[in-house]
This record gives sequence, C-alpha cells and structure tokens, in this order.
Amino acid sequence: QQQVKQSPQSLIVQKGGISIINCAYENTAFDYFPWYQQFPGKGPALLIAIRPDVSEKKEGRFTISFNKSAKQFSLHIMDSQPGDSATYFCAALGAGSYQLTFGKGTKLSVIP
Amino acid sequence: KAGVTQTPRYLIKTRGQQVTLSCSPISGHRSVSWYQQTPGQGLQFLFEYFSETQRNKGNFPGRFSGRQFSNSRSEMNVSTLELGDSALYLCASSLRTGPPHGELFFGEGSRLTVL
Repeated sequence: QQQVKQSPQSLIVQKGGISIINCAYENTAFDYFPWYQQFPGKGPALLIAIRPDVSEKKEGRFTISFNKSAKQFSLHIMDSQPGDSATYFCAALGAGSYQLTFGKGTKLSVIP
Repeated sequence: KAGVTQTPRYLIKTRGQQVTLSCSPISGHRSVSWYQQTPGQGLQFLFEYFSETQRNKGNFPGRFSGRQFSNSRSEMNVSTLELGDSALYLCASSLRTGPPHGELFFGEGSRLTVL
C-alpha cells in the first residue's frame, strides 16, 4: 500500500517558470512532511519541511502548501532554474516514528 | 564538517552471497537510518538505530539486518542475496534524538548489483 502518492512522475518546465509537484497521503497519523531533492549520483538532501498546523511555508524560491482536510501538500518552485533539475521526493513522518515514508519521486527538468 | 560516508560505493555480488555495507554518520549525530532505493519501489525504510539500539524496522525480510557501534558507526548486512536486492542503499544520520525525525542527512549510497 502506497501511503504517499506523488505526481507527476516527470515534469519539464521552462527557465523562469513555476514547477509544481503534488503529494497526497492517507495516514492521518502523519504529522511532519519534508521534501527532499536528489541530484544524480548523490543522496537526497532536505529542501524544506512543514507541519500540519501551518498551511504554507516559504524558503527562498521554494514554497510548501499544505491542505490538511484534503490530505494533500505540494511543492512550488518559483523562477525555476536549470540548476533545479533534479528528482524531488515528498515524504511523511508519523508522530513518534523514526520512519520516513517517501513518494515515488518527480524528475524535474528545467530547460533554458 | 564531513558528511555521511558510506563504503563501499559500488559492489557486485552473485546470488546466494552476503554483503556488508558500512556507514559513518556526521560527527555528533547518534541516529543512523538505512533506506533502499530502487527505480520501481523508490525509497523504502530499512531500519533506524540510536545508541546501538534498533528503534524502528521496515517491512523487509530477516535477511536484512543491521547494527550500530558505540561510536555511532553503523553496518547493514544482507544475507543470501537475491537478484531483487540490487539497489542503492542509503545511510542517513540525524542530530535529533527524538521525533520529528525527518531531518536526515544522507550519504551518497552504496550501489549493490546482484548477478
């Protein structure tokens, strides 16, 4: 059972455009939602995270929007740059848990 | 500050063999987690250790095991290798001792190929 569903699987965006990646979860016990960025040949790196008591969190060009009632959250990358080309993973963590549940990933390509 | 170090980076084994992977966490990080990454299943949690104790185990068969040493370094072992064990095995460390435990620092992984 896939507990965190991520879409789209791949995304091509023009430089300067907005990249949007969506995730949906089923387990209402999840209470921490990080996003990770992974470049080829590297391990994932934490990008930004949010807790369900906040509807939006912004860090630079990266924004997480969170809809608790719909059990959905999304990552927006403003002014997308070629250097943002990577695979992005959403994840969820249950209260008191040490186990991250990841989405299947979105491969983002930003073209000049 | 050095990041998470995993060795070996690449290895090739044959079915039925066993393999041991090593992970050195960031200095001062006492929590170590292991994840398996494959194209089909994505990132899947294997186990998490803190102070030499396994606090969480994922849904993997008993062929997958791990341990943590007093210096926080960790190893994972896979016995009786199967073709489906071919994957990138990622180690991650965390400074946090308790939840939320999503702030993980990943190594570059050990890529295992089983022939």
